[in-house]
Amino acid sequence: QSVLTQPPSVSGAPGQRVTISCTGSSSNIGAGYDVHWYQQLPGTAPKLLIYENINRPSGVPDRFSGSKSGTSASLAITGLQAEDEADYYCQSYDSSLSGSGIYVFGTGTKVTVL
Amino acid sequence: EVQLVESGGGLVQPGRSLRLSCAASGFNFDDYAMNWVRQAPGKGLEWVSGISRNSGNIGYADSVKGRFTISRDNAKNSLYLQMNSLRAEDTALYYCAKLIGQGWYFDLWGRGTLVTVSS
Repeated sequence: QSVLTQPPSVSGAPGQRVTISCTGSSSNIGAGYDVHWYQQLPGTAPKLLIYENINRPSGVPDRFSGSKSGTSASLAITGLQAEDEADYYCQSYDSSLSGSGIYVFGTGTKVTVL
Repeated sequence: EVQLVESGGGLVQPGRSLRLSCAASGFNFDDYAMNWVRQAPGKGLEWVSGISRNSGNIGYADSVKGRFTISRDNAKNSLYLQMNSLRAEDTALYYCAKLIGQGWYFDLWGRGTLVTVSS
């Protein structure tokens, strides 16, 4: 079950800036757990894009940035490029479900480059 | 090369069983917790199960609890998922994923193995 809510789709022209929101609750993001982001290109496995809210793994362009506030987080892509067309997922930890913690993903957002 | 390679997927009838495997290479397997994450066709990601480095701590999503069993063999650098009483809704691409424990995120994913439950 997805307990983190994302917009189904966002789009932008090349070079533009787009943002993707990830809304959680007091048992996950609002409880202080970090948010991480993954990029899934068509037909491929997810790839870690942002970890611990704001950090980029080696090799991820600085066009990608993350932020977190309260019960939400955001992923921003500046200078949108055709190769950024993909599905994006946020992920966090939830302490309320099943009596023990579990890892939760967002509903996913498809980014389309116009 | 640092990689995870899943195997064992296939077409199975409802109610039957299947065992998935994940072979790890290029890193110290026994230093990391490992997880299974699945993705139904055209749908989002769903965490399925996770196991700590020494198998002392195991967790399952409610959707598979009591039917799936995760295990690992550190000597063989391998992770497993025994899936029993399979249902149509278990149809998905199953990914093996390496967990970074301090931050609780997945930094390495396999390509996945497809499980199709259908009569």
